[in-house]
Amino acid sequence: KAGVTQTPRYLIKTRGQQVTLSCSPISGHRSVSWYQQTPGQGLQFLFEYFSETQRNKGNFPGRFSGRQFSNSRSEMNVSTLELGDSALYLCASSPGQGVSGELFFGEGSRLTVL
Amino acid sequence: QKEVEQDPGPLSVPEGAIVSLNCTYSNSAFQYFMWYRQYSRKGPELLMYTYSSGNKEDGRFTAQVDKSSKYISLFIRDSQPSDSATYLCASLKTSYDKVIFGPGTSLSVIP
Repeated sequence: KAGVTQTPRYLIKTRGQQVTLSCSPISGHRSVSWYQQTPGQGLQFLFEYFSETQRNKGNFPGRFSGRQFSNSRSEMNVSTLELGDSALYLCASSPGQGVSGELFFGEGSRLTVL
Repeated sequence: QKEVEQDPGPLSVPEGAIVSLNCTYSNSAFQYFMWYRQYSRKGPELLMYTYSSGNKEDGRFTAQVDKSSKYISLFIRDSQPSDSATYLCASLKTSYDKVIFGPGTSLSVIP
């Protein structure tokens, strides 16, 4: 069974631009969570989607948004990029109705903002 | 105060040593406790999963949860160089809630 796939793996943007990251979960998984990972803050929860609905949201500004499609694939968007948005963005999928702590992570999309 | 805290290390041990990794948490509503392992340039992978207090053993790994002191531990016996990674503890209130991660402890096992 294929794992969680994230694209692109690496990208460089400049301040003020926007970026869209994509995540394909493991087949059959309906929950998709997004995390931001930085050396200073560690893994910070962004949001979680289940059956195309945002079920949980972290404490990030409105510039961070996401969505989930009917095939469970998910995208997240960051608008008006700031230098502090440079990070590894990780997507994770979960089997079952709830997360239950069992997250299967992709390898991440590393964003650098110049 | 972060909801889940752990010493970031780095921790360096010789091969074969017993490793003890620890976390504390502040929210008494947490019921699910996990340990994830993250190799460099990879996403985290679930290592151990426990519900409520108690011990769980899986091969060389043992997870302990003490809810009375809000303390989570991971023990690695007969540590190997392949165990060199960052270990993240995580907690969850309900199965429909968000998973909260600690900052991670970097471990190096020296041959």
